[in-house]
Amino acid sequence: DGGITQSPKYLFRKEGQNVTLSCEQNLNHDAMYWYRQDPGQGLRLIYYSQIVNDFQKGDIAEGYSVSREKKESFPLTVTSAQKNPTAFYLCASSSQGGRYHEQYFGPGTRLTVT
Amino acid sequence: AQKVTQAQTEISVVEKEDVTLDCVYETRDTTYYLFWYKQPPSGELVFLIRRNSFDEQNEISGRYSWNFQKSTSSFNFTITASQVVDSAVYFCALSEAVDSNYQLIWGAGTKLIIKP
Repeated sequence: DGGITQSPKYLFRKEGQNVTLSCEQNLNHDAMYWYRQDPGQGLRLIYYSQIVNDFQKGDIAEGYSVSREKKESFPLTVTSAQKNPTAFYLCASSSQGGRYHEQYFGPGTRLTVT
Repeated sequence: AQKVTQAQTEISVVEKEDVTLDCVYETRDTTYYLFWYKQPPSGELVFLIRRNSFDEQNEISGRYSWNFQKSTSSFNFTITASQVVDSAVYFCALSEAVDSNYQLIWGAGTKLIIKP
């Protein structure tokens, strides 16, 4: 089945540790996105990538890093510099990055840092 | 700046009632796209509909319908004869040009509770 997978679903880390969230898609989509969602709030864009080996910062990129070495993969690293990393992280993809194209989402990863 | 407002934080209705979720947007673009997504308790967002700014026809899909009114910058979503499975958070979003790329500007979401 085509879709977006994120792993793990729940992730627990100690403060000061970097952690990498996985996102894989087999939809052959060019564009991929990472969002953060806090309780009762909408989605905020962290990073996005329109094409392999290229990515841009979103609204809240500080304390995060990404890579896009393969079309199907867009991992997100939450670094120790991120002051409040506990949140729900959603990965999405779209066939292209244009305004016409809807985004499809993975199931999300709930990260808890204590 | 472009903006999407979903003024209703939470709506609670009894099953089989009709319910309308409001979405108001601001944009300077003449061509733009609006989207609705559903986020059930599992957390994964599900795409429901896309509407472009040149098409003001209302859209109906089963019990779902959408009313796009450019004159009032609104793109409202109505569920007819609601069911418990409709309980979710619903997001409205607007595409925005940032440099040469496009991003989605998201509303804060409306939590819909359908009581049996």
